[in-house]
Amino acid sequence: DTGVSQNPRHKITKRGQNVTFRCDPISEHNRLYWYRQTLGQGPEFLTYFQNEAQLEKSRLLSDRFSAERPKGSFSTLEIQRTEQGDSAMYLCASKGQVTDEQYFGPGTRLTVT
Amino acid sequence: AQSVTQLDSQVPVFEEAPVELRCNYSSSVSVYLFWYVQYPNQGLQLLLKYLSGSTLVKGINGFEAEFNKSQTSFHLRKPSVHISDTAEYFCAVIPISSGSARQLTFGSGTQLTVLP
Repeated sequence: DTGVSQNPRHKITKRGQNVTFRCDPISEHNRLYWYRQTLGQGPEFLTYFQNEAQLEKSRLLSDRFSAERPKGSFSTLEIQRTEQGDSAMYLCASKGQVTDEQYFGPGTRLTVT
Repeated sequence: AQSVTQLDSQVPVFEEAPVELRCNYSSSVSVYLFWYVQYPNQGLQLLLKYLSGSTLVKGINGFEAEFNKSQTSFHLRKPSVHISDTAEYFCAVIPISSGSARQLTFGSGTQLTVLP
């Protein structure tokens, strides 16, 4: 068990570019969450997967955002046509079936210039 | 829907002094409660959780919290802090309901700064 990993750790991009982040959950966890954390705030829920199915999306997830979890393993979060307001830390968490504890990755910090 | 209020955005305290970080929540359904800690440029680490049973829960690093249902509070305490406790602390809840994503709803955080 190596924990939840996220790549890249940091991403700087220019406004209008597309970016993609990856999350590798703990291997036996079937549930995966994406959160966004802006400076000085707590994380906010974006979306949730159970296995490969995306079961819930927050209103924060505009149509420029898309998330996938092919084969129920790793997940990707893509932001198209980035805006400066997308600058934030993007956190991934995974959870097993038995416990309600979510295990967080180190996050990807996105800076849009 | 759920909401979490952390009443203090910043708490400075001297080393070896006691500390209390306050958390109140609002929810139309029963919830589980959590405290997470975040060190700079890192993800969140679970400190402790309340699911059921004794309202006083003990966590890692000497922290404890008490669930008060009538006051809808879940304050975090430590009797003697160390410099290494300097970090951001987040209170969070999950609704106890089947069929939902059971995502965490977080407060805005409390920055604990331990002074020498």
